[in-house]
Amino acid sequence: DGGITQSPKYLFRKEGQNVTLSCEQNLNHDAMYWYRQDPGQGLRLIYYSQIVNDFQKGDIAEGYSVSREKKESFPLTVTSAQKNPTAFYLCASSLPADLTGYTFGSGTRLTVV
Amino acid sequence: KQEVTQIPAALSVPEGENLVLNCSFTDSAIYNLQWFRQDPGKGLTSLLLIQSSQREQTSGRLNASLDKSSGRSTLYIAASQPGDSATYLCAVRAGANSKLTFGKGITLSVRP
Repeated sequence: DGGITQSPKYLFRKEGQNVTLSCEQNLNHDAMYWYRQDPGQGLRLIYYSQIVNDFQKGDIAEGYSVSREKKESFPLTVTSAQKNPTAFYLCASSLPADLTGYTFGSGTRLTVV
Repeated sequence: KQEVTQIPAALSVPEGENLVLNCSFTDSAIYNLQWFRQDPGKGLTSLLLIQSSQREQTSGRLNASLDKSSGRSTLYIAASQPGDSATYLCAVRAGANSKLTFGKGITLSVRP
């Protein structure tokens, strides 16, 4: 079955560490997105990519980095520069001008310890 | 800048009630609108997608309508069940290659 796989489901980060969240899709979607979800704040866009080897900053890109070397994969690195990384992270994908909308993964919960 | 509002933030209803969840957006020039469901600690599940040229979409007990001119969409849930308890999010897309703008969601609790 086609879908988006995010791993790990839970991740713990020590102060000053970089961590990478994985997002893989087998839907043959061109565009991929990373959102951050905090209680009471809704979903905020971190980065998005509409094509391989290209990506753009979203609304809250500071302290994060991404790469898009393959169509199927869009990993997100939370760097030590991100001062408040504890949140629920969601990856999504879509086709342009499509009839199916966005598809989301099951999320990764990141906690700073 | 597009803003999406969902009011109220939470809703509690008895089982069996028909209910309407509201979504409003400030810029009527949208490409499509998508309703999602999110269970606690889980990802988002797409419920219904309405293209800008459509007025409504139906799936089972769910019906979503779109009124672009007034900047409104409603999600109608018929004969609500405890299993419908979740957070419902509305999101709009400005163009074919645009990103989604989300509302903050409505947390629905259906009491047995």
